[in-house]
Amino acid sequence: GALVYQYPRRTICKSGTSMRMECQAVGFQATSVAWYRQSPQKTFELIALSTVNSAIKYEQNFTQEKFPISHPNLSFSSMTVLNAYLEDRGLYLCGARDWGYAEQFFGPGTRLTVL
Amino acid sequence: AQSVTQPDARVTVSEGASLQLRCKYSYSGTPYLFWYVQYPRQGLQLLLKYYSGDPVVQGVNGFEAEFIKSNSSFHLRKASVHWSDSAVYFCAVSVTGNTGKLIFGLGTTLQVQP
Repeated sequence: GALVYQYPRRTICKSGTSMRMECQAVGFQATSVAWYRQSPQKTFELIALSTVNSAIKYEQNFTQEKFPISHPNLSFSSMTVLNAYLEDRGLYLCGARDWGYAEQFFGPGTRLTVL
Repeated sequence: AQSVTQPDARVTVSEGASLQLRCKYSYSGTPYLFWYVQYPRQGLQLLLKYYSGDPVVQGVNGFEAEFIKSNSSFHLRKASVHWSDSAVYFCAVSVTGNTGKLIFGLGTTLQVQP
């Protein structure tokens, strides 16, 4: 079956520091990876959509300078939250899918706490 | 612009009762529609999806949803809820072009009372 793992599951960082989170797809080719954030009491916002061998597309209010993403192959992606502040706290989800399929498989998320 | 509306922020039902969680979408093209569930302190799990064909789709754990194009709705139903169904339910739409971008509603918190 198709599975998506995310590391770490939980992380705490000091305000102004950075943290990196990873996403690994197993059992299918993650040609497209979407990173979402769920802030406290809110729904899921798309940060960026990454397709292998193509440019990463960031949504409004999210930038590469703040959330650099790497998607080097068909099973792995990572995203870093640079200079994290209180408003960056939340659950970060990775949704991966194979090209040609609409269904995304989600990992369990990385929960970021900023002190 | 595309959007998803879940008008009920919270729904409380008794165990064994039937359930309907409402979802309406705004999108001019042919949508791909999804229902996801989020259990406490966890990520998203897919309940069911609609791409085309039979407008009534069956999902896991006895859930089903009906796509009504004329009403732009994709309501989630279950005939008899269990206490373990207590969770937050999200309706989502994927835009045309298979871009992989999902637009989520705000979610409905379901509380099942024993």
